[in-house]
Amino acid sequence: QKEVEQNSGPLSVPEGAIASLNCTYSDRGSQSFFWYRQYSGKSPELIMFIYSNGDKEDGRFTAQLNKASQYVSLLIRDSQPSDSATYLCASRNAGNMLTFGGGTRLMVKP
Amino acid sequence: DGGITQSPKYLFRKEGQNVTLSCEQNLNHDAMYWYRQDPGQGLRLIYYSQIVNDFQKGDIAEGYSVSREKKESFPLTVTSAQKNPTAFYLCASDRGTYNEQFFGPGTRLTVL
Repeated sequence: QKEVEQNSGPLSVPEGAIASLNCTYSDRGSQSFFWYRQYSGKSPELIMFIYSNGDKEDGRFTAQLNKASQYVSLLIRDSQPSDSATYLCASRNAGNMLTFGGGTRLMVKP
Repeated sequence: DGGITQSPKYLFRKEGQNVTLSCEQNLNHDAMYWYRQDPGQGLRLIYYSQIVNDFQKGDIAEGYSVSREKKESFPLTVTSAQKNPTAFYLCASDRGTYNEQFFGPGTRLTVL
């Protein structure tokens, strides 16, 4: 069973701090990785995706990928209360299927 | 506006009933997917279709059926054989390999 693992949280950070969300995956054939944000009762919305080792930045968000360690992370700088949500990590295999982790609940306190 | 629509938003099913969830996309995406999400859980793949008139079982296909007669549409039927269907059902689509997958707003199904 190919798996994607995330700490369920909640991860609590103060407003303005950096939130660090982590994800590990077991399938070494995974080719790309996605971070989705899901507010309670809503559907997931794509935040970022990353294919290559290293960092990828988009505004306040930075995705980091380390294929050797099978580790993906999402950093959120200057965290806002509106960032409070569940963050889902997903890996895509060669067959184009996504495998999702269980999600990490982030709480940003004013 | 381009996007994915799902209907209904809420659906109630009686024991022994089949119900069909609608998913339509106008993004011209080739691939479409159905996922199930249980409270506090990640997404699990039910069925997927990478081309019209073809679809494949995902990890939890038992008790579900689909069709893909048009590129834009991928309805999911929850049959009476699905013993625990209460969940949040999400439809998604993408252009295929290496492309981002986008989600519809979801249908929340409750068994009475």
